[in-house]
Amino acid sequence: AQSVTQLGSHVSVSEGALVLLRCNYSSSVPPYLFWYVQYPNQGLQLLLKYTTGATLVKGINGFEAEFKKSETSFHLTKPSAHMSDAAEYFCAVTRPKGYQKVTFGTGTKLQVIP
Amino acid sequence: GAGVSQSPRYKVAKRGQDVALRCDPISGHVSLFWYQQALGQGPEFLTYFQNEAQLDKSGLPSDRFFAERPEGSVSTLKIQRTQQEDSAVYLCASSSSQTGGATEAFFGQGTRLTVV
Repeated sequence: AQSVTQLGSHVSVSEGALVLLRCNYSSSVPPYLFWYVQYPNQGLQLLLKYTTGATLVKGINGFEAEFKKSETSFHLTKPSAHMSDAAEYFCAVTRPKGYQKVTFGTGTKLQVIP
Repeated sequence: GAGVSQSPRYKVAKRGQDVALRCDPISGHVSLFWYQQALGQGPEFLTYFQNEAQLDKSGLPSDRFFAERPEGSVSTLKIQRTQQEDSAVYLCASSSSQTGGATEAFFGQGTRLTVV
């Protein structure tokens, strides 16, 4: 069984400040991990993914995340928030083999304050 | 089209009415998924197709929910005798991979179903 826990359903940051969205996972096998972004009334867009290899992964729009097996974490960061980053962010996990049934967290809504 | 297309975008149904939600995946994608996203929640898996075969329907909440993909392309999610608890956004996603793993799944914009 797999699951992800996102800490904080709402996060507010000032424009230009560091963005940190937290995600912890649980998986019985080495996981593949994802971050998706959802803008209002839109579908989900993949920001970045971790499969194997380098534990620091870079994604679109300046976001990155680090896979830390010892902490079972996959936190999302961005050095400087932009107003356009305001959206809901979902951490997700799947298993490497078999079809890609993805288990999502409950989401973190990011507010960027000018 | 270039992406996953879902229709209608919005649907209001009276309790007890049957509804049908359509998903047009990206051309050539063998894998198709349906998810249900309740207000304030993350998407939850409903069912998975590999081509026309429905390989996993473990997430369907009741026997009122039925999905099909008869020709391995367009899929329809049908909900019979809708209840208020069925109100949610229904997301469809498709992927070119049938073995899973790292291949990205592309999501449609969803159908927002409101049962009144």
